[in-house]
Amino acid sequence: DAMVIQNPRYQVTQFGKPVTLSCSQTLNHNVMYWYQQKSSQAPKLLFHYYDKDFNNEADTPDNFQSRRPNTSFCFLDIRSPGLGDAAMYLCATSRGQAGAFSYEQYFGPGTRLTVT
Amino acid sequence: SQQGEEDPQALSIQEGENATMNCSYKTSINNLQWYRQNSGRGLVHLILIRSNEREKHSGRLRVTLDTSKKSSSLLITASRAADTASYFCATGANTNAGKSTFGDGTTLTVKP
Repeated sequence: DAMVIQNPRYQVTQFGKPVTLSCSQTLNHNVMYWYQQKSSQAPKLLFHYYDKDFNNEADTPDNFQSRRPNTSFCFLDIRSPGLGDAAMYLCATSRGQAGAFSYEQYFGPGTRLTVT
Repeated sequence: SQQGEEDPQALSIQEGENATMNCSYKTSINNLQWYRQNSGRGLVHLILIRSNEREKHSGRLRVTLDTSKKSSSLLITASRAADTASYFCATGANTNAGKSTFGDGTTLTVKP
């Protein structure tokens, strides 16, 4: 079945120690997103790729970086995690067309990040 | 800032009852989507309704959209314990190709 896969499902890192979360998709969607979701809150968009074009949200901290080496994979790098970065990180994909309205998104199961 | 605001924040009902949750938004949209999230999991897309549509059905789900009031509602009929989850609306606009803005969600508890 076509899907969005996130690894690992649970990640524990130390304060200030870089961490990378990964996302892969078999849907062949051209748009990929990273969201941060804290308990009982809405998913907050960090950035998204439209094909290879990277789009950063204005309020995404510089501590968060992303890479998309090909259509199928996308990575979220947190350079120096702080206690406030503990959250669920969700990857999603969708079809997209330049200048077109948004399409439905397909989400992975998420990675729960704990910072000690 | 988040575009959609959901109401109520939490809803508790008995199995078999209907559940209605509402979403209000601030600016013009091209579409509005509803998602479900089970505890500790990713979001699952339920329905997308376009700005030129007023009502849409999918199984036990009914979504309405009133663009003049900038609001949408999600009705779940004959609820089941398995419907227990958080429900989010997300709005898509012309200027945000490929992006949707999520509301804060309604937490629904269906008691068996």
